[in-house]
Amino acid sequence: AQSVTQPDARVTVSEGASLQLRCKYSYFGTPYLFWYVQYPRQGLQLLLKYYPGDPVVQGVNGFEAEFSKSNSSFHLRKASVHWSDWAVYFCAVSKGSAGNKLTFGIGTRVLVRP
Amino acid sequence: GGIITQTPKFLIGQEGQKLTLKCQQNFNHDTMYWYRQDSGKGLRLIYYSITENDLQKGDLSEGYDASREKKSSFSLTVTSAQKNEMAVFLCASSYRTGASYEQYFGPGTRLTVL
Repeated sequence: AQSVTQPDARVTVSEGASLQLRCKYSYFGTPYLFWYVQYPRQGLQLLLKYYPGDPVVQGVNGFEAEFSKSNSSFHLRKASVHWSDWAVYFCAVSKGSAGNKLTFGIGTRVLVRP
Repeated sequence: GGIITQTPKFLIGQEGQKLTLKCQQNFNHDTMYWYRQDSGKGLRLIYYSITENDLQKGDLSEGYDASREKKSSFSLTVTSAQKNEMAVFLCASSYRTGASYEQYFGPGTRLTVL
């Protein structure tokens, strides 16, 4: 069965500093991977998605992620964090088939210090 | 573009009560989903529907019923609300086939059971 692990429940970062959020997946085969962001009191919004191909994926708002098959990872990065990045970030994996069931990690809450 | 609307935004119920949550989307997506979000547990899939009148159980379907009478709408019923239950229910939709597998989410319904 597929699964996603986000080992950091909470990350605190200073505004302007770099950010990395970790995601490890467990999946037999080639996965489709996603990062979603949830701002306070809102639903989830897609940041970026990985389909088999270039391992580095660019997303919205300066986010990027790198897929590593050898490490079973899909870490999210941003070079310079803005206060508006204060949110919860979810990593998810999918088979990409009809029905497209997503399996989510528990999320990482990012707090931004001024 | 499109939007997913969830009603009500806040739902307060009594123990044992049957409660219904509604979701509408105007993306013309085939597939719709209901997730439950609990603090520290990420999102868990309750039900999904690949097309009108189709229903598929997710990982957390016990205690819930669902209904997909139209392509644009998907309802979820909590069959017997549990005392002190608090959760956010998120509706999502996606295309059934093709390269675009990401799910689009509504803002959520916050449930509190007294």
